[in-house]
Amino acid sequence: NAGVTQTPKFQVLKTGQSMTLQCAQDMNHEYMSWYRQDPGMGLRLIHYSVGAGITDQGEVPNGYNVSRSTTEDFPLRLLSAAPSQTSVYFCASSYSRWGGGYTFGSGTRLTVV
Amino acid sequence: AQSVTQLGSHVSVSEGALVLLRCNYSSSVPPYLFWYVQYPNQGLQLLLKYTSAATLVKGINGFEAEFKKSETSFHLTKPSAHMSDAAEYFCAVSGVETGNQFYFGTGTSLTVIP
Repeated sequence: NAGVTQTPKFQVLKTGQSMTLQCAQDMNHEYMSWYRQDPGMGLRLIHYSVGAGITDQGEVPNGYNVSRSTTEDFPLRLLSAAPSQTSVYFCASSYSRWGGGYTFGSGTRLTVV
Repeated sequence: AQSVTQLGSHVSVSEGALVLLRCNYSSSVPPYLFWYVQYPNQGLQLLLKYTSAATLVKGINGFEAEFKKSETSFHLTKPSAHMSDAAEYFCAVSGVETGNQFYFGTGTSLTVIP
C-alpha cells in the first residue's frame, strides 16, 4: 500500500547512544517532515525538507540531524541520545507546500534510559 | 506568527450526542486549516481541510468543520457521536505565515460514553 513507512516501531536506547530513524514514502511527495509527540504538547516540528537535497530546522531541532538524498527517504539521526528525547516520532509527507495536508507514518516509540 | 489553540484538552459526550471540538487560529491572513484524528497507537489521519474554497468543509466519518473568519475559528462537529469516534483530535494550520510547515494544536481527547 502506498504511504509513509517508518522503522523501527519501537526502540530503547541508552543515554549517549546514536541511532537513525528511517522514513520512506512512495507517493513522490516533495515535502517531508519529522515531528515528535509528547503528552499535552501536541506535535512539534523537528526538521523538514522541501525536496531532495534541501532541509531546514523546525521548532525543536537540537540533538537531531536530517538529510534528504532522494525524494523517497528522509532519515532522522539522533546524535547522542538523552532522556529528554524519549517520545513518539512521526514522519509525514505531502505533495503540497501548504494546502495538501500531510500523510503520516505509524510512528516510532523511542525510550532513552 | 500563525498558531492554533484547541480549547479543552478532554471532551466527553454521550453516544448519539453532538460532538463539538473547538479550534481557534491566529493569523493576519486566512490560513489553511486541518483536522486530524489519531486512534490509540496509530499515526494521524486527515479528517478534513479548509483551503479557501467553501467555508463549510465535510470530511470523513461524518465530521464537518466551518471556517469563520470573523471568529478566527475552525470548530469540528459531528451530529451524532459513535463509540468509534473516541480518539485524539488535532487542529493544524499552515500558510504564508508558517513558512513551509504545519503547526499543530495540543490536541483534544474525545471520550464517548455509552
